[in-house]
Amino acid sequence: ELKVEQNPLFLSMQEGKNYTIYCNYSTTSDRLYWYRQDPGKSLESLFVLLSNGAVKQEGRLMASLDTKARLSTLHITAAVHDLSATYFCAVGLNNNDMRFGAGTRLTVKP
Amino acid sequence: DSGVTQTPKHLITATGQRVTLRCSPRSGDLSVYWYQQSLDQGLQFLIQYYNGEERAKGNILERFSAQQFPDLHSELNLSSLELGDSALYFCASSFGQGIYNEQFFGPGTRLTVL
Repeated sequence: ELKVEQNPLFLSMQEGKNYTIYCNYSTTSDRLYWYRQDPGKSLESLFVLLSNGAVKQEGRLMASLDTKARLSTLHITAAVHDLSATYFCAVGLNNNDMRFGAGTRLTVKP
Repeated sequence: DSGVTQTPKHLITATGQRVTLRCSPRSGDLSVYWYQQSLDQGLQFLIQYYNGEERAKGNILERFSAQQFPDLHSELNLSSLELGDSALYFCASSFGQGIYNEQFFGPGTRLTVL
């Protein structure tokens, strides 16, 4: 059965620091999504990665995909408080199913 | 605001009851997806419809069913409700039906089963 593992599950970091969230998955897929969810809110699409080696950047966030290693990373550069949220990766399957990781709850402290 | 609307925002009901959740996709989107988010199970894909037809099924219980109407809005019907069905139910939409379509999520319906 497909497993999507995110780590860490909880991340507390200081403003201005860098960190990486990892998303490992156990089956072949060339479609990986990253979402952000604020408490009590819906999911906001951050990145759609559709091929091996894909790299996308938006502000202080950069996502990459290595389909051979079955690994995606979400790198945070010079964190600010506004980035505090839960971040989910999701792996797309050929039957249009999408499996989510457990989420990484990020807290950025001043 | 993603452009996807869901009603109601909150729903409180009792075990054994039946409820209907409604979703209107973004203008122009033909696919609708339903997801369940709970503390126990995390985020789970339930079912997808494209232009009125079922396209994909995930971890959807037999007590649950969905449909998409000619105007493209969708309804998720949950019956014989159990305490464990309490969760946030999200609807998402995309233009196409295929695997490369970005999905846009609605605000969700919070279901509480007492």
